[in-house]
Amino acid sequence: QQPVQSPQAVILREGEDAVINCSSSKALYSVHWYRQKHGEAPVFLMILLKGGEQKGHEKISASFNEKKQQSSLYLTASQLSYSGTYFCGTENQFGNEKLTFGTGTRLTIIP
Amino acid sequence: NAGVTQTPKFQVLKTGQSMTLQCAQDMNHNSMYWYRQDPGMGLRLIYYSASEGTTDKGEVPNGYNVSRLNKREFSLRLESAAPSQTSVYFCASSGSPGQGAEQFFGPGTRLTVL
Repeated sequence: QQPVQSPQAVILREGEDAVINCSSSKALYSVHWYRQKHGEAPVFLMILLKGGEQKGHEKISASFNEKKQQSSLYLTASQLSYSGTYFCGTENQFGNEKLTFGTGTRLTIIP
Repeated sequence: NAGVTQTPKFQVLKTGQSMTLQCAQDMNHNSMYWYRQDPGMGLRLIYYSASEGTTDKGEVPNGYNVSRLNKREFSLRLESAAPSQTSVYFCASSGSPGQGAEQFFGPGTRLTVL
């Protein structure tokens, strides 16, 4: 079952902030975040592991609420280069490395 | 260091034809994956391989077969292509099973089945 992402799409002016949410109905071992630009492959941004460890991007942060099985990605002072579709991928409780991806959030940054 | 490579980049098939999508990685990763991406559906896992010699089904395996030829290469075969298999196919690899390792994606193969 796919995790649910919200919002589905958002338009921001350069410099504004955005929050993208990812919610799962299953217990999670980790949450991954990826960004995909049109016509390109997804690119890794962030991993949040059960227990609080976080690895990822310098200018993008995220949170992982294990009890609620939710994660949020925070994009602050957005830049034009942040435009793209953001996907969360969830790894199940047993850490078997398979990811189930959400349907994505399309982020458009305008000057 | 090329990362993950895929061939071909584009392919057009007629219904019933067969083809193999090739994927190779040069990062010495244990795990490899095949996904398909359809508009509005995100990425869906077709098959994955946690290590050389092992493969397992993902969410949408019907109509596909895979081979983990060696640690570097993981191929996806469509035995009898159908229009429903029109999609963009991505191969990915990651280093450490069970450690939450990031996945590295290839550039994708855009497949159209007429």
